[in-house]
Amino acid sequence: NAGVMQNPRHLVRRRGQEARLRCSPMKGHSHVYWYRQLPEEGLKFMVYLQKENIIDESGMPKERFSAEFPKEGPSILRIQQVVRGDSAAYFCASSKGRDANQPQHFGDGTRLSIL
Amino acid sequence: AQKITQTQPGMFVQEKEAVTLDCTYDTSDQSYGLFWYKQPSSGEMIFLIYQGSYDEQNATEGRYSLNFQKARKSANLVISASQLGDSAMYFCAMREGLGNAGNMLTFGGGTRLMVKP
Repeated sequence: NAGVMQNPRHLVRRRGQEARLRCSPMKGHSHVYWYRQLPEEGLKFMVYLQKENIIDESGMPKERFSAEFPKEGPSILRIQQVVRGDSAAYFCASSKGRDANQPQHFGDGTRLSIL
Repeated sequence: AQKITQTQPGMFVQEKEAVTLDCTYDTSDQSYGLFWYKQPSSGEMIFLIYQGSYDEQNATEGRYSLNFQKARKSANLVISASQLGDSAMYFCAMREGLGNAGNMLTFGGGTRLMVKP
C-alpha cells in the first residue's frame, strides 16, 4: 500500500504509559503528515513535518503529544501518559511535495488501544 | 462550517451497476486539490483519484471518475460496474492553498458503500 511503513500495526497501552508510533515515508518523500481517526469518523490532521522541522502542528493537542522527523530514521509520534480518549487509529502519510495537487499516500495505520 | 461534506452515511449498490458518492466542499482558495480515498474493512487508506481546481476535464482512473462541478463546489465520485471488492468506506478530502504551509488534507465523514451480489 503505497510504500509508507508504519509500526506497530496494533499497540496496547495502559493508562499513564507512553505510546511511540513510527512512520517511514515512501522513498523520495520528505513531507510527513500524521492524522488521527476515531471510530466511524474521517481522519483529522494532527501535524506536518519535513526532515528535522515541524511545519504545522495546529491539529496536535497542546499537552502530552509530540512529533519528530529526525535527519536519520523514521518519524515518531509520541503520546505521553496516555488516557482512554487516545484510543484511535493513527495514520501517517507522505508526499513528494506540499503542492495542492500532490496526493498523500498513507500507511496502514497504528491502532492504539488504551486499557 | 464543514469544509468537506459527504451527505450519504451509507449506500447500497447492486453488483455491476454504477454508483455515485456525493461530496461538496467549501473553500475560498482558488487553488486546491480534491481527493478520494477508499478504506476497506482491513483499515488501510487507498488513494483513488485526484482533481485539481484548475483542471478543466473530469479526472478518470479505471472504473473511477470524478464528476467535478466547480460552480456548485461538488466533486462526486462515480464508480462504474461495481464489484464486491468495492465494499468499503469512501472518503472525500481537500488540500488547499498551493505552496502554503500545512497543506493538510481535510476529510469528510465518509460514505460506507455496500455492494450486493
